[in-house]
Amino acid sequence: EPEVTQTPSHQVTQMGQEVILRCVPISNHLYFYWYRQILGQKVEFLVSFYNNEISEKSEIFDDQFSVERPDGSNFTLKIRSTKLEDSAMYFCASRLALKTYEQYFGPGTRLTVT
Amino acid sequence: AQKITQTQPGMFVQEKEAVTLDCTYDTSDPSYGLFWYKQPSSGEMIFLIYQGSYDQQNATEGRYSLNFQKARKSANLVISASQLGDSAMYFCAMREKGGGSNYKLTFGKGTLLTVNP
Repeated sequence: EPEVTQTPSHQVTQMGQEVILRCVPISNHLYFYWYRQILGQKVEFLVSFYNNEISEKSEIFDDQFSVERPDGSNFTLKIRSTKLEDSAMYFCASRLALKTYEQYFGPGTRLTVT
Repeated sequence: AQKITQTQPGMFVQEKEAVTLDCTYDTSDPSYGLFWYKQPSSGEMIFLIYQGSYDQQNATEGRYSLNFQKARKSANLVISASQLGDSAMYFCAMREKGGGSNYKLTFGKGTLLTVNP
């Protein structure tokens, strides 16, 4: 069964460093998302992406964040200068098409900023 | 304003019994959808079931069913014949119309279900 994959599973970085979180969505899916979950809290929307551009972004998704689909398979989230409060689990999700609503999540990348 | 409310921080159920996890929502959009996801201790988010606001029948997926009461704005998850492997955090989520043809999910705070042998 096709699934969303994410790498790395755990990333430790120092405050101020840049990190890139990588996702491979399900191959024929068209809509892509990033969410984050701070430990013990609910999942929060960061950004949605379709047709090579951002559809919507939350107030969390400030100028330090960017997303890219550099080729036909990868979808990346970059944080330019990490802060302690960026420590969280980051989930990538994908959705097939316009009239399908299920979002399938990857296993997540746990980001720890020290 | 909180759009998804899960009032049960924790629930316990005996193995093989049924359990209902509560979810209420708030939206003024006539077209919306409700989701349930399972998050085991390993951390991944597993899609369980989806109910659209215009769907005539309650959604079912194996042992999972969604008790959708539109007038009450509730979308409770019913798990029949609980198994030890059902022990996990369960999140209710709602799709909201977003930019263009896209949408985002808004999640509740979750309910931690523990299945006792």
